[in-house]
Amino acid sequence: DQQVKQNSPSLSVQEGRISILNCDYTNSMFDYFLWYKKYPAEGPTFLISISSIKDKNEDGRFTVFLNKSAKHLSLHIVPSQPGDSAVYFCAAPHTQGGSEKLVFGKGTKLTVNP
Amino acid sequence: DTAVSQTPKYLVTQMGNDKSIKCEQNLGHDTMYWYKQDSKKFLKIMFSYNNKELIINETVPNRFSPKSPDKAHLNLHINSLELGDSAVYFCASSRALGRNTIYFGEGSWLTVV
Repeated sequence: DQQVKQNSPSLSVQEGRISILNCDYTNSMFDYFLWYKKYPAEGPTFLISISSIKDKNEDGRFTVFLNKSAKHLSLHIVPSQPGDSAVYFCAAPHTQGGSEKLVFGKGTKLTVNP
Repeated sequence: DTAVSQTPKYLVTQMGNDKSIKCEQNLGHDTMYWYKQDSKKFLKIMFSYNNKELIINETVPNRFSPKSPDKAHLNLHINSLELGDSAVYFCASSRALGRNTIYFGEGSWLTVV
């Protein structure tokens, strides 16, 4: 049961342009979302988050937009830089059996070309 | 000064063997986790511990036994390894349970042949 979906396995953009990574979720109880970034041979690192009381959160070049009615969020990176090339995971905390766990999407591999 | 460190980074072993992956965090966190990323790239939680107490056991086969000797360590022991256990295993920690940032180790690539 894939509750967090990232339907694009890969994305390629030119340096300086905007990168838009998409994420859909099925559980309407989700109220907090995170993006993690992962370089090869490294663990995921936290990038940015958004609470469901907001529809936008910005941190420098990174902005996350949340559309609750569509159960959709997106991560915008502008301007994109070659160092942004990585796999980006969307995640949401899911409470089950009294415990909360992070549920991840499959990730989208972003390649930023110089 | 790695925050979450796990060893070994790469492990190739035969079916039926028993192996362990060690994890240590120097962040002073109370909560530690083991995640598995399988061949389909899904990153899924296996276990979480808070102050050495098991909180989440995500229906993982009992061949997998986590052990937390103290708050800073969460080791993963796997008995009778199977081909399907081949995956990347990530240790992680957070300050506490709840919505705290999770910090991941670099991962341990396990290949069972």
